[in-house]
Amino acid sequence: DGGITQSPKYLFRKEGQNVTLSCEQNLNHDAMYWYRQDPGQGLRLIYYSQIVNDFQKGDIAEGYSVSREKKESFPLTVTSAQKNPTAFYLCASSPAEAGNTIYFGEGSWLTVV
Amino acid sequence: RKEVEQDPGPFNVPEGATVAFNCTYSNSASQSFFWYRQDCRKEPKLLMSVYSSGNEDGRFTAQLNRASQYISLLIRDSKLSDSATYLCVVNARGGNQFYFGTGTSLTVIP
Repeated sequence: DGGITQSPKYLFRKEGQNVTLSCEQNLNHDAMYWYRQDPGQGLRLIYYSQIVNDFQKGDIAEGYSVSREKKESFPLTVTSAQKNPTAFYLCASSPAEAGNTIYFGEGSWLTVV
Repeated sequence: RKEVEQDPGPFNVPEGATVAFNCTYSNSASQSFFWYRQDCRKEPKLLMSVYSSGNEDGRFTAQLNRASQYISLLIRDSKLSDSATYLCVVNARGGNQFYFGTGTSLTVIP
């Protein structure tokens, strides 16, 4: 099936640890995104990438890092510098053409224990 | 000022009711508009795109008012299964810049 695959779905992290969330898409989309959603709140953009080997910071990039070595893959690392990482993380992708919509993976739940 | 604003609700309506949500956007150059549905603890999913001429999909009608910079979603004959959060999404500059409202919560009551 075509789509966006995020893993793991649930992840527990100890304070001080880095964790990496995987995002893979087989939709041949150029642009990929990472959003964070806290309970009862809207989506906030962490990072986005419009092309391989290039990415830009979103509104809340501090404490996060990404890479875009392949068109299909856009992993997100939550570093120990992120002070409040417990949240729902959504990876998304969209085609490059204007007017196209955005598609989401099923999300990853990260909890700091 | 936020790029996209929605009334968070909650909207609690009886089955069979008609309910409407509005969403305003700040950038007059915005090009594309969408409504997404998000169920509890799930990812947002595209409900419908919003076209200048308005569009309808079954019980759902979406409209765009460029002059007043708002989009609307009308749900007729509400079903229990319509209970969800509805997100307004705007593509402000074409290409790949998307802006999300915080969502409007709808609960349809038996």
